[in-house]
Amino acid sequence: SQKIEQNSEALNIQEGKTATLTCNYTNYSPAYLQWYRQDPGRGPVFLLLIRENEKEKRKERLKVTFDTTLKQSLFHITASQPADSATYLCALEPGGFKTIFGAGTRLFVKA
Amino acid sequence: GAGVSQTPSNKVTEKGKYVELRCDPISGHTALYWYRQSLGQGPEFLIYFQGTGAADDSGLPNDRFFAVRPEGSVSTLKIQRTERGDSAVYLCASSQGQGAALSTDTQYFGPGTRLTVL
Repeated sequence: SQKIEQNSEALNIQEGKTATLTCNYTNYSPAYLQWYRQDPGRGPVFLLLIRENEKEKRKERLKVTFDTTLKQSLFHITASQPADSATYLCALEPGGFKTIFGAGTRLFVKA
Repeated sequence: GAGVSQTPSNKVTEKGKYVELRCDPISGHTALYWYRQSLGQGPEFLIYFQGTGAADDSGLPNDRFFAVRPEGSVSTLKIQRTERGDSAVYLCASSQGQGAALSTDTQYFGPGTRLTVL
């Protein structure tokens, strides 16, 4: 069956460290993959999109990698700050207009 | 307004009742999406509109759920004979839609309506 899996356990890190979140998918061949941030009581906010022919994408302190062989994307936040604490969702579009989201990983950055 | 708005922010209803949830997309956005999010889960796709028409309603769980967008702007998600399992946050998103490359057609989400069925 088709699945998107993100680490369900919360990630706790110290301010200033690099946070790394994982997204694995099975039985999909997405042309691209997206990462969103969601704060409690709010809708997701788009962060980054990476295409299948791109190995890595950066935006400020954010970096995303996409390995279509491993069917995995890694999301890194460097020099993490308490304000980065949130749930991070990966998402892909298997075709058409439907977006499939993972369950998300909660990140806590301690000062 | 600058963003997607949804009303009401909270809705409590009794099992078996009918509810309507409203979404006001960003002005000029032709694409509109409805999702449902349960606690600890990611958003689950329900339906996609391009203009007034539902281009993909494959995510609607059953025929108790229906959505309309009669003038290509505001959309209403309608749930008949609500069940306790319908309790969730219902999210709406809009994007530029037709004319924008799909890969760059960023979805902008509203804050959601929290539906509780007692």
